[in-house]
Amino acid sequence: SQQGEEDPQALSIQEGENATMNCSYKTSINNLQWYRQNSGRGLVHLILIRSNEREKHSGRLRVTLDTSKKSSSLLITASRAADTASYFCATGRNSGNTPLVFGKGTRLSVIA
Amino acid sequence: GAGVSQTPSNKVTEKGKYVELRCDPISGHTALYWYRQSLGQGPEFLIYFQGTGAADDSGLPNDRFFAVRPEGSVSTLKIQRTERGDSAVYLCASSLRTGLGELFFGEGSRLTVL
Repeated sequence: SQQGEEDPQALSIQEGENATMNCSYKTSINNLQWYRQNSGRGLVHLILIRSNEREKHSGRLRVTLDTSKKSSSLLITASRAADTASYFCATGRNSGNTPLVFGKGTRLSVIA
Repeated sequence: GAGVSQTPSNKVTEKGKYVELRCDPISGHTALYWYRQSLGQGPEFLIYFQGTGAADDSGLPNDRFFAVRPEGSVSTLKIQRTERGDSAVYLCASSLRTGLGELFFGEGSRLTVL
């Protein structure tokens, strides 16, 4: 089963615009991670935010986490055509050493 | 190795056949995970190992699926009596330890059952 639910399912923007993707989850978490997947490739880790953090930055990426609403957002600023990919959120649960549970992803298309 | 290696990258088989998919994790990573990804979906958890033992196999869909990691490094996912519904990309990932860390994924093995 998949806990995370990304929104929107698909997003198309012009190069230079910002892209915002949202993730909602259901159970208590220890951390939330965002991954990127280019078509036909494996997933690549982008950023991890712990449950006691509210915001984190990495280059052009900004992630927020609201544990009261069980939601997170990923913002990509000044998007480039090379950012075209699927983006997944994944949650690590509180209960012991449990595997990451992934959402269905947001397919981002950045048009040059 | 430098990254997670999965072989074969592509496997086409006939319904009812037996298939083995191999994963070679990053050296020193004790945790190894298998996920399955269907077209347009996110990765679905199958099983993970901490060292040699399967710590959680709750995602295996039925008893036709089995995985081993005999020496705590390379893992093999085995699928018996394959069905068309088994067609998917099987992803392997490893991490230094379970719980908090990021996962490092291989490129996947695309299985097609005719």
